[in-house]
Amino acid sequence: GAVVSQHPSWVICKSGTSVKIECRSLDFQATTMFWYRQFPKQSLMLMATSNEGSKATYEQGVEKDKFLINHASLTLSTLTVTSAHPEDSSFYICSASVYPKTQYFGPGTRLLVL
Amino acid sequence: QKEVEQNSGPLSVPEGAIASLNCTYSDRGSQSFFWYRQYSGKSPELIMFIYSNGDKEDGRFTAQLNKASQYVSLLIRDSQPSDSATYLCAVSPGGGADGLTFGKGTHLIIQP
Repeated sequence: GAVVSQHPSWVICKSGTSVKIECRSLDFQATTMFWYRQFPKQSLMLMATSNEGSKATYEQGVEKDKFLINHASLTLSTLTVTSAHPEDSSFYICSASVYPKTQYFGPGTRLLVL
Repeated sequence: QKEVEQNSGPLSVPEGAIASLNCTYSDRGSQSFFWYRQYSGKSPELIMFIYSNGDKEDGRFTAQLNKASQYVSLLIRDSQPSDSATYLCAVSPGGGADGLTFGKGTHLIIQP
């Protein structure tokens, strides 16, 4: 149980384009999902908290107009990187909150912006 | 600013020995503590979580929490080469419904 999937696993795009990443909880319903970002040799940094049916809560320093988050159902959250630039190249990982108090992570999406 | 500190390593341990990983955190209000294992190029995999002071054992793994000292540790008994990975300590102000603050991780190498 507690399986989280992400799609795509890899994406390469040109600078200025938008990229959508999907995060799904496969065998449970997740009212809360999280989006993290990890740069090489760095740890995971929380970007935003996504709650089903409401607006996402962004961490300080994360541009909400650049990183659009939609949590339309209890099993799906999406992160759209708008007008991506090379500095947005990173490993994006989602997680889902599981009762009572744990989080399970998806396999991650590697984004490379050329 | 909330901080989680870990020795980056690498920590080298002979196969079969006990690996000891340590973590300190700055936010005294933290309530939940997690250990994740991350293999190179992969996403984190939950090993254990602990909420109460003391020890919690799960198979070869033991997590230890001392809230007064703001200290969390992970012991790995009978270390195996497959345990070689980066171990991430994470803390949360509440539980699973709160975002996690991660340390930078300790790179553990188990020598055959």
